[in-house]
Amino acid sequence: RKEVEQDPGPFNVPEGATVAFNCTYSNSASQSFFWYRQDCRKEPKLLMSVYSSGNEDGRFTAQLNRASQYISLLIRDSKLSDSATYLCVVREGGKLIFGQGTELSVKP
Amino acid sequence: DVKVTQSSRYLVKRTGEKVFLECVQDMDHENMFWYRQDPGLGLRLIYFSYDVKMKEKGDIPEGYSVSREKKERFSLILESASTNQTSMYLCASSRPGQGSTDTQYFGPGTRLTVL
Repeated sequence: RKEVEQDPGPFNVPEGATVAFNCTYSNSASQSFFWYRQDCRKEPKLLMSVYSSGNEDGRFTAQLNRASQYISLLIRDSKLSDSATYLCVVREGGKLIFGQGTELSVKP
Repeated sequence: DVKVTQSSRYLVKRTGEKVFLECVQDMDHENMFWYRQDPGLGLRLIYFSYDVKMKEKGDIPEGYSVSREKKERFSLILESASTNQTSMYLCASSRPGQGSTDTQYFGPGTRLTVL
């Protein structure tokens, strides 16, 4: 079993759609949780951290359920510029563990 | 703005060659990391370093070594390149202290092809 598993992609959605990504992690001792974004042929960049209370940054909402070891990312009112691969990331000790990513393609 | 640079964007080498991938960061970060990224497998940690002259094995260190002689520079070495080391190699750095791996800043990557 992979340490961090994400929804298989790709997700193809029209502009304005709401899209949700899910992620599960296997180590209950994981300490911190994040979503990174990676554009095509570019490096990953931090999108947002994920807190137990849930957190929002504009059109993006992240949720964490420690009991279920489940992380989610909701994108509202999708834009063409949201097209990218979204990486679910978990910190275990001194290391970050990356999911394989879910590709999102927003179409006009 | 944090800047992490890698010596080459694209590299083509032959089987058996010794390959050096260089990474430099300009933000005085103590932590540096080397990953490889392959389709369907995501990013996998090869080696990391929390300080000069210090190195720790990641999840897939076999066939690789590293060098950290200066704080800003972290080198990945393929002693004898093989075709299964064809991949995208990403370097990252982060701030010091507990929890500092939370935000890692990545370089643009080196796409290595081993023929």
